[in-house]
Amino acid sequence: EVQLLESGGGLVQPGGSLRLSCAASGFTFSTNGLSWVRQAPGKGLEWVSVINYNAGSTYYADSVKGRFTISRDNSKNTLYLQMNSLRAEDTAVYYCAKNSGGSCYSHFDNWGQGTLVTVSS
Amino acid sequence: DIVMTQSPESLAVSLGERATINCKSSQSVLYSSNNKNYLAWYQQKPGQPPKLLIYWASTRESGVPDRFSGSGSGTDFTLTISSLQAEDVAVYYCQQYYSTPFTFGPGTKVDIK
Repeated sequence: EVQLLESGGGLVQPGGSLRLSCAASGFTFSTNGLSWVRQAPGKGLEWVSVINYNAGSTYYADSVKGRFTISRDNSKNTLYLQMNSLRAEDTAVYYCAKNSGGSCYSHFDNWGQGTLVTVSS
Repeated sequence: DIVMTQSPESLAVSLGERATINCKSSQSVLYSSNNKNYLAWYQQKPGQPPKLLIYWASTRESGVPDRFSGSGSGTDFTLTISSLQAEDVAVYYCQQYYSTPFTFGPGTKVDIK
C-alpha cells in the first residue's frame, strides 16, 4: 500500500522559512515523479511544484518560483519542499502527491494527508 | 498558462439520479503524438485529501466504482456519476497535466437533493 506522510508544517512569521518533508513507502520511490499541491483554507487546489524521478527536471508555479525549492533523496525515500520568504498567501494545507509515472507530466495517483502551514505574525 | 473552468459551481441531485460536471480548458490538452488527453478528475471529501477518479480523460482508476465515467477530448470534458450515492457527496476537480503550470479547475460541489 502506498503511503505518503508529510511533516514540517507549522506557524511561521512572514519572511520566514520552513522545510516540508514527505516520507514515502509502498512503491519504488526512485521510479516516480512527485509533486506538491496546496489548498488554502476553504479554497480549491493549487499545484505548487513537481520533480521527476531522478531530480533531473523540476517545475514551479509562478506564485512560488524563486522562493520554493523542491528536492528528493531517493536513498531516503523522501521528498522535500524548502519554502523561503514566506507570505501570508502561502498559508495552506500542503499535500505531497505521487505522479503515476517517472516524468513530471502525469496524473497524481496517490496523495498524503497534508500538513498545514500558517504564515502569520 | 492553461485555464481550467468547471460548470456548474454546485449541483444537488437526488439519490440514484445522474450528475454531470463539465470542465473546459483554455487550450487543447490532447497530445498528438500519443493521442492522449492530459486531463484527470479528482474527488475530495471534507477533511480528506483528493482522490484520483479518472485519468487520460476517460480511464477509471482501479477501485473506482463504474458509476463514475469521464469523456471528452481537446478542450471539453465531462465527469458523469450515473447513479448518485450518498458517499459521492464531495467536491470534484478537473486538472490538466499537459503543460506546466499544471492547473486545476475551481471545483464543483455535489450534494444530495
